[in-house]
Order: sequence, then C-alpha cells, then structure tokens
Amino acid sequence: DAMVIQNPRYQVTQFGKPVTLSCSQTLNHNVMYWYQQKSSQAPKLLFHYYDKDFNNEADTPDNFQSRRPNTSFCFLDIRSPGLGDAAMYLCATSRDVSSGPQHFGDGTRLSIL
Amino acid sequence: GENVEQHPSTLSVQEGDSAVIKCTYSDSASNYFPWYKQELGKGPQLIIDIRSNVGEKKDQRIAVTLNKTAKHFSLHITETQPEDSAVYFCAASMETSYDKVIFGPGTSLSVIP
Repeated sequence: DAMVIQNPRYQVTQFGKPVTLSCSQTLNHNVMYWYQQKSSQAPKLLFHYYDKDFNNEADTPDNFQSRRPNTSFCFLDIRSPGLGDAAMYLCATSRDVSSGPQHFGDGTRLSIL
Repeated sequence: GENVEQHPSTLSVQEGDSAVIKCTYSDSASNYFPWYKQELGKGPQLIIDIRSNVGEKKDQRIAVTLNKTAKHFSLHITETQPEDSAVYFCAASMETSYDKVIFGPGTSLSVIP
C-alpha cells in the first residue's frame, strides 16, 4: 500500500543534542509537510516543501530545519532541542497544494532528557 | 486568517448510540472541510471530507453536513462502536491551498461498551 512512513517511531535525545527525524512516502506526492503536535492539541504546521521549494511558517523557531533530498524523502532537523520541543512530530503529504487532502504518517514521538 | 472552533472537547456515548461533533469556521473563502480521526499513538487519518458545493455526504456510518451560510459543519457517527473511540479533528481550507489547512482543537470521543 502506498503510504507515509516515519522513522523512528520513538526518539530520545539529550537537551541541546541535534536530532533528525525522517519521513518517506510512496505516494509520489509533490508536497511534504512537517507538523508538531503536543499532547491534547491539534497538529501545528512547521513548514512544507512544494517539490523543492521550502515554505516556512512565520512562527516556526529557527531551531527547526528541514531537508528534502528527493521526492520520496524529507527530514526534520532540530539543531538544539529544548525541553519544550518534546512532542509528536507528524509528516504529511499531498499531491499538490491545489489537489487532494493531506495524508499523515504515524509520527515520531520525541522525548528530551 | 481562518479560525476553526470545535465542540464538544470530550464526548462519551454508549455503544450503539450516535455521536455528533460540531465545528464552525470564520473565513467564508474556505471551501474544503476534511475530518480526521486520530487513534492513540497514530497519525491523523482522513475519514471523510466535504466540499462547499455539497450540503451533505455519507459513508456508511459516518456523515458530514455543511451549512455555508452559517459557516457550520458537523460530523455524525451512527451506531457507534468501541473502535470509534479516538480524537476527531475537523479542519478547513481552500481547495486552491491544501497547504493551509486549519485544524479545530479536537474532540476526544469515548464509546462505552
């Protein structure tokens, strides 16, 4: 089945130690999104790639970066994680910004020690 | 910008009863309204969506209604089952901007056997 896969499902890192989360998709969608979701809250969009074009949300901290080396893969880099960055990180895709709903992966739960 | 409100925040129903979740949106330009179901430890999954040229849409036990004039839309689940227990998010966007999906705060539904 075509899908959005996130690895790892659980990630533990130390305060201030860089961490990378990965997402891959077999849907061949043009758009890939990263969301942060804290407990009992709605997902909050951090940024998205439309093909190779990076679109950052205005309130996304500089600590969060992303890379999309090809259509299938997208990475979320947190340069210096703080305790407040502990959350579920969700990757999603859509065929286009003007076509199709977003399809989500099952997320990576990030813990900060 | 768009703002989506959702009520109730928590809902408990007996198995077999119906559940209704209501949302309102503020931007009259929004014309696409997806509903997502998020089970514990998983990503949001699209369960049904409706576009503004349609007033109602049904898929087995799930239905969504839309009142464009009042800017209300609702999710109806009939004959609820324990596996319907999850957090449900409504959302609003424009069909030309699937990247700008605004989520409601979520409703935690518990179906009591």
